[in-house]
Amino acid sequence: SQQGEEDPQALSIQEGENATMNCSYKTSINNLQWYRQNSGRGLVHLILIRSNEREKHSGRLRVTLDTSKKSSSLLITASRAADTASYFCAPSKAAGNKLTFGGGTRVLVKP
Amino acid sequence: DTGVSQDPRHKITKRGQNVTFRCDPISEHNRLYWYRQTLGQGPEFLTYFQNEAQLEKSRLLSDRFSAERPKGSFSTLEIQRTEQGDSAMYLCASSSGLAGYSDTQYFGPGTRLTVL
Repeated sequence: SQQGEEDPQALSIQEGENATMNCSYKTSINNLQWYRQNSGRGLVHLILIRSNEREKHSGRLRVTLDTSKKSSSLLITASRAADTASYFCAPSKAAGNKLTFGGGTRVLVKP
Repeated sequence: DTGVSQDPRHKITKRGQNVTFRCDPISEHNRLYWYRQTLGQGPEFLTYFQNEAQLEKSRLLSDRFSAERPKGSFSTLEIQRTEQGDSAMYLCASSSGLAGYSDTQYFGPGTRLTVL
């Protein structure tokens, strides 16, 4: 299985601090997607990074990908209370193929 | 709002009843996916369609589950003889499916099923 596994499982930080979470997977991938989910809500797409990319940015988000280590990281800079959510990585073996999610990282940003 | 809609948003049913959920993907998206999510877990893949063709089904999808996408637009997921273990959030997602376009999957708000 190429299921993404996030680490840590939970993270608690103060508003304004940076939050970093990691994702590991087992097999080769075509792309890896990061999602955010607020409690009881649907998933919001954050960033897609392809296997031939090493880093992508979107606003306060920075995603890295190291295919040699089969790992990815998501950095949220200058966190806000609204960033409180669960974050999931989802690797995909082929373009347009199914996503395989891990258990997510639950982030709590305290005001 | 991602443009993917699901109906109903909530469904409460008694064990043994049949339920059907509907998903309307983003217009012109060729690929449509169904996932299931239980409390505290990440979504699990169930099945996906390229236009009206069902390309893959998870082993999680027992013979009580059936999904269709008859005209390559909306999709339905039916669960027959529901069991308490079917209680979960059922998520639908769509992606373009066209070469050269993004593989991003956009998720709907989900249908929360409670089986009593």
